[in-house]
Amino acid sequence: EIVLTQSPGTLSLSPGERATVSCRASQSVSNSYLAWYQQKPGQAPRLLIYGASSRATGIPDRFSGSGSGTDFSLTISSLEPEDFAVYYCQQYANSWTFGQGTKVEIK
Amino acid sequence: EVRLVESGGGLVQPGGSLRLSCAVSGFTVSSNYMSWLRQAPGRGLEWVSVLYSDGTMNYADSVKGRFIISRDNSKNTLYLQMNSLRAEDTAVYYCARWTAGLDYWGQGALVTVSS
Repeated sequence: EIVLTQSPGTLSLSPGERATVSCRASQSVSNSYLAWYQQKPGQAPRLLIYGASSRATGIPDRFSGSGSGTDFSLTISSLEPEDFAVYYCQQYANSWTFGQGTKVEIK
Repeated sequence: EVRLVESGGGLVQPGGSLRLSCAVSGFTVSSNYMSWLRQAPGRGLEWVSVLYSDGTMNYADSVKGRFIISRDNSKNTLYLQMNSLRAEDTAVYYCARWTAGLDYWGQGALVTVSS
């Protein structure tokens, strides 16, 4: 099983700041089969990024994904009020597993 | 418009059974990869099962032998039959469609396993 470890656990930032969330895999994620999701309280997750760097339909371009192998990241270039949420990475190269989540909170 | 609507959640005693349904509109269940995921209270996401368009199914080790995923093409509905339920199965259960990522999700159904 590929274990995904996200860091930091919590990110405290202000609107307009840049947010970067890291996702490290216990072994290489082939073909960059990695996705990112956003989840707000009481809601289902929303797909942001797939294939490590491709934005899903309707996702603003302030969200970007990068990385390969074992190290991936999600960047929000300038935080909007609606971006404060929990973010999860998911690998789908070898079964499916998720990271433990990173909370982006208002400072 | 795409909609996924789960139903069938509730309170069940340890060792009991429950069947979740996911009624889909806006696309055809049998032509897509469909999955169940869950989220225990205050915890992260866990993949439970997937049903591929060719009928192949796969399960997480934590539910293998206890849960069964299926679909009814005439009703365009996905199911999860959950048997021998344990306290650790308590969670919100989501159905979702997989394309390149889980792109459509239901609102979730709460399953509570407790005596």
